[in-house]
Amino acid sequence: GAVVSQHPSRVICKSGTSVKIECRSLDFQATTMFWYRQFPKQSLMLMATSNEGSKATYEQGVEKDKFLINHASLTLSTLTVTSAHPEDSSFYICSARDLSAGEQFFGPGTRLTVL
Amino acid sequence: AQTVTQSQPEMSVQEAETVTLSCTYDTSESDYYLFWYKQPPSRQMILVIRQEAYKQQNATENRFSVNFQKAAKSFSLKISDSQLGDAAMYFCAYRSRGNQFYFGTGTSLTVIP
Repeated sequence: GAVVSQHPSRVICKSGTSVKIECRSLDFQATTMFWYRQFPKQSLMLMATSNEGSKATYEQGVEKDKFLINHASLTLSTLTVTSAHPEDSSFYICSARDLSAGEQFFGPGTRLTVL
Repeated sequence: AQTVTQSQPEMSVQEAETVTLSCTYDTSESDYYLFWYKQPPSRQMILVIRQEAYKQQNATENRFSVNFQKAAKSFSLKISDSQLGDAAMYFCAYRSRGNQFYFGTGTSLTVIP
């Protein structure tokens, strides 16, 4: 099946710094990618929908100035957590929609720890 | 907004036995997809099975099958001949027309040898 990668898989940063997480579709083009966050022992919560070449659509309650999303190409979307705080520590998962197949695939996730 | 409810936070099953995980959802859409995903400790989301809402026939994938009751907005997962490798967190998910996924709170499945 199609592969979605995320980089880094794990990151630790200091409070106040910014962290960028990449989501790549390796063998297909993805006009739409999605970002989710998952707190320990909880479900995945949709944060935003990222469309190639346009602004992301954020879910209610998600701060767009804090979670910057860029989808500059058909295979790459990035999520930047700006001025990270300990409460931003979470597991971030992306998914990418394969337009030709009509299927959606999940990345392996990125564990963010903010000290 | 779509909501997905899993009322069983934890379930256990004896190896080789059958277990059913429950899921209900709420939506005003008529055309949608429903999924069951498995999340092992690695946290990678693994697709178990999916169901198109317009199909009346219940989906089946080897030992996994669903009982889809559209009018009742119910979508349960049956795992037959449970194996130790089935132990994981299972999430029921609704995919909207905009292709966003909305997940239930999950059911942690333990398989007892």
